[in-house]
Amino acid sequence: AQSVTQPDIHITVSEGASLELRCNYSYGATPYLFWYVQSPGQGLQLLLKYFSGDTLVQGIKGFEAEFKRSQSSFNLRKPSVHWSDAAEYFCAVAPYGQNFVFGPGTRLSVLP
Amino acid sequence: EPEVTQTPSHQVTQMGQEVILRCVPISNHLYFYWYRQILGQKVEFLVSFYNNEISEKSEIFDDQFSVERPDGSNFTLKIRSTKLEDSAMYFCASTGEGTGVIPYEQYFGPGTRLTVT
Repeated sequence: AQSVTQPDIHITVSEGASLELRCNYSYGATPYLFWYVQSPGQGLQLLLKYFSGDTLVQGIKGFEAEFKRSQSSFNLRKPSVHWSDAAEYFCAVAPYGQNFVFGPGTRLSVLP
Repeated sequence: EPEVTQTPSHQVTQMGQEVILRCVPISNHLYFYWYRQILGQKVEFLVSFYNNEISEKSEIFDDQFSVERPDGSNFTLKIRSTKLEDSAMYFCASTGEGTGVIPYEQYFGPGTRLTVT
């Protein structure tokens, strides 16, 4: 079945530490890939997206993600986390078609 | 910067009542969407809308749901007879690319929290 998985439900990191949030998908062809962030009580903000080309994409707020076709992964990274990065992070894929399929989300907590 | 807006921010209704959630997409966008997020769960696709008709819908979007673009600016989601399990955050989204093929970035509204009692 087609799906998006985010293996980590909750991650806690110290401020200034590096971060990697995992995302895997299972689709026949490479879908279009996105990462969204949701702060408490807020809507969804796009961090970055991948359609084609360079497999390392840069986004807003210092985030980047790397697409690895062989692993069907699109992991989100940040070299140094800030307290304001505490939020819920959703990986989303858009197969050929219009609707997005979201992963279950990873909640990020940041320790001072 | 243009943004998607949604009203109300929070709606409380009694079971069995009809509710209409409103969205104003970005003005030059062509594709419109509704998603829902039950508390603590992932965001789920409900329906997409293009050229004044539904282009795709999920199994969640049953006969109790309907969408409409009544006046060229608003995009509404109606739930005819609400159930307790309809309690969720409902997000509207829009995208501007006109190919109908490649799903470009969707811009999300802030959501309407629906509470059914």
